Amino acid sequence: QKEVEQDPGPLSVPEGAIVSLNCTYSNSAFQYFMWYRQYSRKGPELLMYTYSSGNKEDGRFTAQVDKSSKYISLFIRDSQPSDSATYLCAMNPSGNTPLVFGKGTRLSVIA
Amino acid sequence: EAGVVQSPRYKIIEKKQPVAFWCNPISGHNTLYWYLQNLGQGPELLIRYENEEAVDDSQLPKDRFSAERLKGVDSTLKIQPAELGDSAVYLCASSLDSGYNEQFFGPGTRLTVL
Repeated sequence: QKEVEQDPGPLSVPEGAIVSLNCTYSNSAFQYFMWYRQYSRKGPELLMYTYSSGNKEDGRFTAQVDKSSKYISLFIRDSQPSDSATYLCAMNPSGNTPLVFGKGTRLSVIA
Repeated sequence: EAGVVQSPRYKIIEKKQPVAFWCNPISGHNTLYWYLQNLGQGPELLIRYENEEAVDDSQLPKDRFSAERLKGVDSTLKIQPAELGDSAVYLCASSLDSGYNEQFFGPGTRLTVL
């Protein structure tokens, strides 16, 4: 079992839909959780960064962490074609340890 | 503010040939990272530099891979000799602080080994 599991998709949704992207993990020591967006032929871009459990909202994006279930989510409201990308979750036990990335979920938002 | 710059963007070589990738981090960022990203996978750390010092290189295959950051600014990653399995995207990232949690990635170099 990999430390971080992420469904690779692809996930295809109509414009305006609410998108839910998820990762599960096995290492209970993970404390920091990140979501990166990666457009085709580009490097990953940090979207959301949360510490421990709870929710964090930034515009149309909401990140949720449930440490009791070892489950994190990224919600995208009012999805746009420009949201079409691969979304990678990443996490680590502390800021000084390497990030463990999921495989990424490929999202397509259809106009 | 300019982002992380990498060159070349694409490289095609034959197996057993050497190859080098260059990275210039965001100005003022003391920490630099090299990652490997295979198709359909997340990035995997190869090496992390704090200024000129390699502080985490446990995942770097040292028999064929080497890296340097001589003046604590730009960096070069080299593979010699390249193998078919080295075909991947090589990403460079930098951060202002020494931790891993707020990194800025470059566009990557896509390597194809024939």
